Amino acid sequence: AEKVIQVWSTASRQEGEELTLDCSYETSQVLYHLFWYKHLLSGEMVFLIRQTSSSTAKERSGRYSVVFQKSLKSISLIISALQPDDSGKYFCALWELVMSNYNVLYFGSGTKLTVEP
Amino acid sequence: NSKVIQTPRYLVKGQGQKAKMRCIPEKGHPVVFWYQQNKNNEFKFLINFQNQEVLQQIDMTEKRFSAECPSNSPCSLEIQSSEAGDSALYLCASSLSGYAEQFFGPGTRLTVL
Repeated sequence: AEKVIQVWSTASRQEGEELTLDCSYETSQVLYHLFWYKHLLSGEMVFLIRQTSSSTAKERSGRYSVVFQKSLKSISLIISALQPDDSGKYFCALWELVMSNYNVLYFGSGTKLTVEP
Repeated sequence: NSKVIQTPRYLVKGQGQKAKMRCIPEKGHPVVFWYQQNKNNEFKFLINFQNQEVLQQIDMTEKRFSAECPSNSPCSLEIQSSEAGDSALYLCASSLSGYAEQFFGPGTRLTVL
């Protein structure tokens, strides 16, 4: 079963609008982190924002913020004041703490965003 | 912005050939990860290191891939005998610890003809 699900494979908005990208995940761990990355056409994966499972703070970084609904195992990325440069593919990723091992990120399938000028 | 460096950006090999790619992690990051992203955008974890030691690797990596992260040299991932199914984007990421955010390089796009 997939651990990270991004339902929408594509999204399109106009410049200046706000967008919410949804992500759901599956974990039985108490401590975990959720990340959002932007995948550029160049291949580069750019870290955007992190949400820790133990935090109730609403994480925010510039125009990026998240809505974390822990009981629903859902995390949404909100991008405000969209710009054409925001176009790209956005990935949600889950990291779990399992017996203090170094673990890996589980990625969703990504949502390709197009922002029209 | 990430300062993880990956070379080469593009690699073309014939089936059965060796394919080697390199990664310089961000300065001060002791943990390095390799991922394979296929044309369906699916990510597959391959192997990770802390300093020079392998922490985890999947079966595929154990058999056909070799990887190392020597001190004072770039990390490397090498496919001993390339197969068509190995065509993918290979991403290297580094982090301060196993639970910190990972910073990715631009990737090496391998095409196996």
